[in-house]
Amino acid sequence: GAGVSQTPSNKVTEKGKYVELRCDPISGHTALYWYRQSLGQGPEFLIYFQGTGAADDSGLPNDRFFAVRPEGSVSTLKIQRTERGDSAVYLCASRRTSGGHNEQFFGPGTRLTVL
Amino acid sequence: DAKTTQPTSMDCAEGRAANLPCNHSTISGNEYVYWYRQIHSQGPQYIIHGLKNNETNEMASLIITEDRKSSTLILPHATLRDTAVYYCIENSGGYQKVTFGTGTKLQVIP
Repeated sequence: GAGVSQTPSNKVTEKGKYVELRCDPISGHTALYWYRQSLGQGPEFLIYFQGTGAADDSGLPNDRFFAVRPEGSVSTLKIQRTERGDSAVYLCASRRTSGGHNEQFFGPGTRLTVL
Repeated sequence: DAKTTQPTSMDCAEGRAANLPCNHSTISGNEYVYWYRQIHSQGPQYIIHGLKNNETNEMASLIITEDRKSSTLILPHATLRDTAVYYCIENSGGYQKVTFGTGTKLQVIP
């Protein structure tokens, strides 16, 4: 079946602009996670959704970052007034939350470059 | 901060077993040890997980010490495609955030 998909795969923007990054989780997965990964580092947790609600947004670095998941499937990560330090790969993962173990399935990521 | 510690890098000859250690000395009783790997330019991929018993699947084996303070991921016959960064993670299996460290960069050498 289809895995987690993320669009766009690459996004180049200018400092101060607004960007939206999209994640399509595996069908039926109720949990969705966003991570940010800088070069040479492991993924850094940003936010976790259970269904439509953000269950834990403690990883969002500041109020320029916001994420939504209005229908409990597709999620959008929104970054306002982008800064050069926001440049990173943004990863999305989904997880089945009933039965079995709790592995996360990751998408390929969106590489964001802020000039 | 990551609660596990791993060597920064390791080399392994193709066809040989790769043994990747992880220390998780502060692991609590209900936390599992999970392993993921990340091949260059891809998202992380789940490998295996365990609580206290050794585990094996089609990808790898996981050996957990009796005191649960450390574990070893074993790739029995490493191939060039196993070159990746390997992450060892503690997780209770609930839905809280997962903290990745910097992992071990495994280079499989022909």
